[in-house]
Amino acid sequence: DAGVTQSPTHLIKTRGQQVTLRCSPKSGHDTVSWYQQALGQGPQFIFQYYEEEERQRGNFPDRFSGHQFPNYSSELNVNALLLGDSALYLCASSWGLAQHEQYFGPGTRLTVT
Amino acid sequence: AQSVTQLDSQVPVFEEAPVELRCNYSSSVSVYLFWYVQYPNQGLQLLLKYLSGSTLVESINGFEAEFNKSQTSFHLRKPSVHISDTAEYFCAVTFKTSYDKVIFGPGTSLSVIP
Repeated sequence: DAGVTQSPTHLIKTRGQQVTLRCSPKSGHDTVSWYQQALGQGPQFIFQYYEEEERQRGNFPDRFSGHQFPNYSSELNVNALLLGDSALYLCASSWGLAQHEQYFGPGTRLTVT
Repeated sequence: AQSVTQLDSQVPVFEEAPVELRCNYSSSVSVYLFWYVQYPNQGLQLLLKYLSGSTLVESINGFEAEFNKSQTSFHLRKPSVHISDTAEYFCAVTFKTSYDKVIFGPGTSLSVIP
């Protein structure tokens, strides 16, 4: 049983560019949440997708957008990258909207230069 | 608004010694509480959680945490640590009565010294 998978593992982008990160949820899960974890900090909630719609959103600008596909996988898009977007981006999956049984992926390390 | 405080950013402890990692939260409604562990260059793993029932919850690798509603705390303890316990530990909270986001604390770095 595959757990949550994310791609790519590492990514280096230049300020102003756009990036797309991908997540496949654990088998049987239909909800995907995205988190940003800056170095030395706890994860910060970006948004949650369920039934292909954004259900909840944290305090992140519109440069952060996402999508969920019919197979429940998800993408996180960040436009106009800033140096401050450098972080570990974590994807978590769960069944339904309740987040008390989340499983996290290994993350994508984004470096913006 | 919900918030989570982990007062100790770094906790060094000798191998086989006991350890306590402190977590306090603020919330006006009932909450679910979690401890996650993050090993170097890895994602988060759920260590244990309190949803309801007994206020003392245990993990399979010897950690335990006790929910104290009056003190709004959920401290994590282990009576004897191993080198393999070296990791970052995050306390987290979410509302019990709604499908709300999980709020994480800033983390405590546990270093076990041989």
